[in-house]
Amino acid sequence: DTEVTQTPKHLVMGMTNKKSLKCEQHMGHRAMYWYKQKAKKPPELMFVYSYEKLSINESVPSRFSPECPNSSLLNLHLHALQPEDSALYLCASSPQYATNEKLFFGSGTQLSVL
Amino acid sequence: GENVEQHPSTLSVQEGDSAVIKCTYSDSASNYFPWYKQELGKGPQLIIDIRSNVGEKKDQRIAVTLNKTAKHFSLHITETQPEDSAVYFCAARNAGGTSYGKLTFGQGTILTVHP
Repeated sequence: DTEVTQTPKHLVMGMTNKKSLKCEQHMGHRAMYWYKQKAKKPPELMFVYSYEKLSINESVPSRFSPECPNSSLLNLHLHALQPEDSALYLCASSPQYATNEKLFFGSGTQLSVL
Repeated sequence: GENVEQHPSTLSVQEGDSAVIKCTYSDSASNYFPWYKQELGKGPQLIIDIRSNVGEKKDQRIAVTLNKTAKHFSLHITETQPEDSAVYFCAARNAGGTSYGKLTFGQGTILTVHP
């Protein structure tokens, strides 16, 4: 299994809602990442987990809250988002500790904030 | 910080032709250069990568060349096929003060291969 699976594929939420994005990989990778991608732009790093510990937070607003329950799962909890947070949210994993090498990306969750 | 410039922003070729995408980077400490292909509705997929101690790498129809002195690297696709149509992103990773190195992406190239 060489896939990173993300659910849901699409999400529409209001600014007062609380929702969660989920990501799963079974490749034994110990580094997992959240990226945000706006239309026609490259991905932007949000968070990096290495061995289930948060190692990098790229100054992301606190309305985004990551969680890594175990080595295969990564969640992104969303609360009080703004319309400008609408984007494609990509999860990725890599074989080695937080090196950003050989990233395997999921297909993403397309988020719309109304 | 690192700055990666990618050209062209769009590229249109006929099936069977070659396609070349070029990137320049600013941080001479960058040591890892991947290329990602992103098809519509999908996440980026790593297609080839190269380290700073290697000048060229090839994988079937895809090759990457690196010129450290000039701080630029290029993606070469030969015998293009319609399924090569996608957005291609180059990236550069700096060595970082610890084991973490930040990955900086170029702005992307939309490649269209016409049958």
